[in-house]
Amino acid sequence: SQQGEEDPQALSIQEGENATMNCSYKTSINNLQWYRQNSGRGLVHLILIRSNEREKHSGRLRVTLDTSKKSSSLLITASRAADTASYFCAPVGGGGNKLTFGTGTQLKVEL
Amino acid sequence: NAGVTQTPKFRVLKTGQSMTLLCAQDMNHEYMYWYRQDPGMGLRLIHYSVGEGTTAKGEVPDGYNVSRLKKQNFLLGLESAAPSQTSVYFCASKTGTGDGGEQFFGPGTRLTVL
Repeated sequence: SQQGEEDPQALSIQEGENATMNCSYKTSINNLQWYRQNSGRGLVHLILIRSNEREKHSGRLRVTLDTSKKSSSLLITASRAADTASYFCAPVGGGGNKLTFGTGTQLKVEL
Repeated sequence: NAGVTQTPKFRVLKTGQSMTLLCAQDMNHEYMYWYRQDPGMGLRLIHYSVGEGTTAKGEVPDGYNVSRLKKQNFLLGLESAAPSQTSVYFCASKTGTGDGGEQFFGPGTRLTVL
């Protein structure tokens, strides 16, 4: 398994704005997953994008994947205060039974 | 379905004491995992299991032991707790499709070792 590196480490925006966070990784992947962690809680799976996909949507979430640049981005549109959380990416390679997490992006959405 | 549950939610130990953390899942998942999370850090894998009766080491296994006697339960043991094991512990599970599908996480156990 390999670790993704999220960027930025912290992001503060106003409610209604869009939030974009990025993930970079080092070796080839089968898929890449994004998770959210609210303060004091366990991680919650948001979306999985496979290596042959370039973009995927789920509600207000849009994930892109550029395997040539070994990077992914997560866009949250029309952010809400409830989106305040840490966001982690997990790139998954061959035999992907283990996930490795970076330090995440801490998103704060202010009213 | 309760999903993934963890017992206890909080625990304070003295150095040298032992304890067992219990993780239970009701989704018939093959894979189960134990992570620890320290302030400002991501989750680090302690041990994992790919099926009943199996266990394997993760990234930070020292000082911990695990057992998977039943498919639905994954136990994490600390034989002699140390202050460095103060952390929040998360359990997770996933199906055995083998393609890195999503993991389902428990709510965590906050452990303090004095």
